[in-house]
Amino acid sequence: AQTVTQSQPEMSVQEAETVTLSCTYDTSESDYYLFWYKQPPSRQMILVIRQEAYKQQNATENRFSVNFQKAAKSFSLKISDSQLGDAAMYFCAYRSSNNNDMRFGAGTRLTVKP
Amino acid sequence: GAGVSQSPSNKVTEKGKDVELRCDPISGHTALYWYRQSLGQGLEFLIYFQGNSAPDKSGLPSDRFSAERTGGSVSTLTIQRTQQEDSAVYLCASSFARASNQPQHFGDGTRLSIL
Repeated sequence: AQTVTQSQPEMSVQEAETVTLSCTYDTSESDYYLFWYKQPPSRQMILVIRQEAYKQQNATENRFSVNFQKAAKSFSLKISDSQLGDAAMYFCAYRSSNNNDMRFGAGTRLTVKP
Repeated sequence: GAGVSQSPSNKVTEKGKDVELRCDPISGHTALYWYRQSLGQGLEFLIYFQGNSAPDKSGLPSDRFSAERTGGSVSTLTIQRTQQEDSAVYLCASSFARASNQPQHFGDGTRLSIL
């Protein structure tokens, strides 16, 4: 079974600074997809960024980018120029090409200090 | 609305009662998922519907949990004889297709509290 581990329960960053959230996963599959979701206090899960395992190039979405290390099974999220609105729970998620479910990590609570 | 809609937003009930949670997915989305999020935890997969295919129920924690999806649209998650450990936020998500690279769009969830 696939597992997703987020080793940082809480992280803090100063506004305008850069922060990196860690995620590792365990799988024996070669074809899969990785996601980062943001969950603000409103509870709605919002897709931040996604990465296909077959792509070597790291995904980027404006201030959000990932460092995908397939051999190390690592998928970290970098937030540049942090904004107050980035404060939320961030969940890393794994989905294989064969299963219907998505495996989520336990989450990292990000605080942005003004 | 344009997003996934869930109701009720909050539900408080007594232990032993049955509850029904509703999810209205985004129009045109054929895939629908239910997740459970306990306090301070990540999301736990419960059940998945895709079109008219038999649902994937592999994540349901016990036979007290069941779900239906009528007409390929609205889904209802039913919990019978609720227990205190059922207290959690229940999230529904939908996507265009089964394809693994399709992002899931989530509703705001139902916070269920069992007294």
